Amino acid sequence: EVQLVESGGGLVQPGGSLRLSCTASGFMFSRYWLSWVRQAPGKGLEWVANIKEDGREKYYVDSLKGRFTISRDNAKNALYLQMNSLRVDDTAVYYCARDGVGLGGFVLDYWGQGSLVTVSS
Amino acid sequence: QSVLTQPPSASGTPGQRVTMSCSGSSANIGSDIVNWYQQRPGTAPKLLIYSNTQRPSGVPDRFSGSKSGTSASLAITGLQSEDEAEYFCEAWDDSLNGPVFGGGTRLTVL
Repeated sequence: EVQLVESGGGLVQPGGSLRLSCTASGFMFSRYWLSWVRQAPGKGLEWVANIKEDGREKYYVDSLKGRFTISRDNAKNALYLQMNSLRVDDTAVYYCARDGVGLGGFVLDYWGQGSLVTVSS
Repeated sequence: QSVLTQPPSASGTPGQRVTMSCSGSSANIGSDIVNWYQQRPGTAPKLLIYSNTQRPSGVPDRFSGSKSGTSASLAITGLQSEDEAEYFCEAWDDSLNGPVFGGGTRLTVL
């Protein structure tokens, strides 16, 4: 069974940093692209970033470039999101999700349960 | 404001058929596949329809998707109380070079 479990969320002050982790199981981790998607309270979904199987290619939504960094450790089946210079409007539930293979294009076929990040003074 | 446009709400009674729309442009829906995600209250999104019309294993055939030009639709037949959720459409956007989502349609089963 495919499982994605996020951790590392919490309360942080504006300007602070936080690193989210996502631990995967139930599939060959190193063969999949992975994404982070966030959802502000009561709002819709926003794709944040994704990373290639070997970690050599990374893509970000334009509005977050330079502040957030996606990375992975295939030996640990782990995905990370380093978030710096956090702002109040970064408050959201952050989901890690698997980019499906052979589904006709970009498809997020499995999602974690999410990790809440609250940026507040 | 979301790149893909969805009506904020929809409703139906048990057993009814409901549809919801997703409107985009030639940069996204017009040039790439559309996926739909279901998010029940307090839970993570779940893939419901991919590649415009395909259902992942375990998704009932009451759910169907379609696409025409720069718009897509999700239809649910034989509406059930468990279908009460928010539904998001998503497509890759060539001009933004990333996936974009609709704002979501909250479905209420009356």
